[in-house]
Amino acid sequence: DAGITQSPRYKITETGRQVTLMCHQTWSHSYMFWYRQDLGHGLRLIYYSAAADITDKGEVPDGYVVSRSKTENFPLTLESATRSQTSVYFCASSESRVEDTEAFFGQGTRLTVV
Amino acid sequence: LAKTTQPISMDSYEGQEVNITCSHNNIATNDYITWYQQFPSQGPRFIIQGYKTKVTNEVASLFIPADRKSSTLSLPRVSLSDTAVYYCLVGDGAGANNLFFGTGTRLTVIP
Repeated sequence: DAGITQSPRYKITETGRQVTLMCHQTWSHSYMFWYRQDLGHGLRLIYYSAAADITDKGEVPDGYVVSRSKTENFPLTLESATRSQTSVYFCASSESRVEDTEAFFGQGTRLTVV
Repeated sequence: LAKTTQPISMDSYEGQEVNITCSHNNIATNDYITWYQQFPSQGPRFIIQGYKTKVTNEVASLFIPADRKSSTLSLPRVSLSDTAVYYCLVGDGAGANNLFFGTGTRLTVIP
């Protein structure tokens, strides 16, 4: 199916563990983004990628790692999960920069760190 | 570091027109203004985008004054299904890492 999919939808992990959130898009969009959403903060950009093998930090990158070896995939890794990283994570893709092209968001991954 | 400012919440009765205003004093010359809608447990969904003056599509209108320091999303004749959070997105410079969502406006449509 065409679109953008995130997996898993729900994840519970323990403090200190490494966890990877997956994001896959079928449109061959150049740009991909990771946001986290917390009460009172709206959506905050963690990392983005302009193309394969090109990534850059967003507003809140600390504690996260991304890679983009293939255009269609943009995994987000929490190297050592902390309780403050409990959040809902959204992946998005667009043909160009989000500000002048429609961005398509996944359904989100709800991550709980205990 | 607030890039945009929106009302936290709004209530409206069904059938009324709703106007949500976003302030973005630091908007750059080349930046667009984009609005998204988000329902609970879903990712945001694009509504409308504009650069200046007025833009209209099948679901909303976007009004942007000449100084572009604010914008107003207009939803005509809202229904219960329009109950959602609405986000204003504005970049403040080159590079996608400067693209900030507003805090969002929670719109509640009342029967």
